[in-house]
Amino acid sequence: EAGVAQSPRYKIIEKRQSVAFWCNPISGHATLYWYQQILGQGPKLLIQFQNNGVVDDSQLPKDRFSAERLKGVDSTLKIQPAKLEDSAVYLCASRGGVSGGYEQFFGPGTRLTVL
Amino acid sequence: AQTVTQSQPEMSVQEAETVTLSCTYDTSESDYYLFWYKQPPSRQMILVIRQEAYKQQNATENRFSVNFQKAAKSFSLKISDSQLGDAAMYFCAPSRLTFGEGTQLTVNP
Repeated sequence: EAGVAQSPRYKIIEKRQSVAFWCNPISGHATLYWYQQILGQGPKLLIQFQNNGVVDDSQLPKDRFSAERLKGVDSTLKIQPAKLEDSAVYLCASRGGVSGGYEQFFGPGTRLTVL
Repeated sequence: AQTVTQSQPEMSVQEAETVTLSCTYDTSESDYYLFWYKQPPSRQMILVIRQEAYKQQNATENRFSVNFQKAAKSFSLKISDSQLGDAAMYFCAPSRLTFGEGTQLTVNP
């Protein structure tokens, strides 16, 4: 079974530029998460999708971050415009079941550096 | 809102020895799951063990076990017979939405 795929793996941009990340969850997984992990810290949830609907985006900085999950499969996370403090690893995860105990599977992450 | 505290930023253990990583949390939920994740230097997050809060019996997965004290809101991870491959950052997560700051575990040969 293929895992969660993310691209690109690395991205370097100047502040005020725009950037987009892509995530392809495990086939059949209805729930998809985007996390931001700043170096030396734990992941922080940005947004959670159930199929193509948003379940939780309370910690998403909506003035600059946006995310979508068209057709309930792939998802993109966009930052526009980027700030220096957005430098982090962006992790995507997916989960198959609806029960609380079902395991999350994480992708390898996209490391963003904002100069 | 949930809060998570991992009071040990770094821990080290000798190979084949036992180490315990601590975690305390706060939640208003009555039924929930708790997770420990491992993040090796490659950065792929991997589930180590999960505990259902309504179960009194502590979860065990091979060399990994938890000491879950629901009333105290404590959820520690014990690693027995530590191996070099156990070296990683370990995160406690009382739900999928909240992670602790992590404990960096070093295993010394």
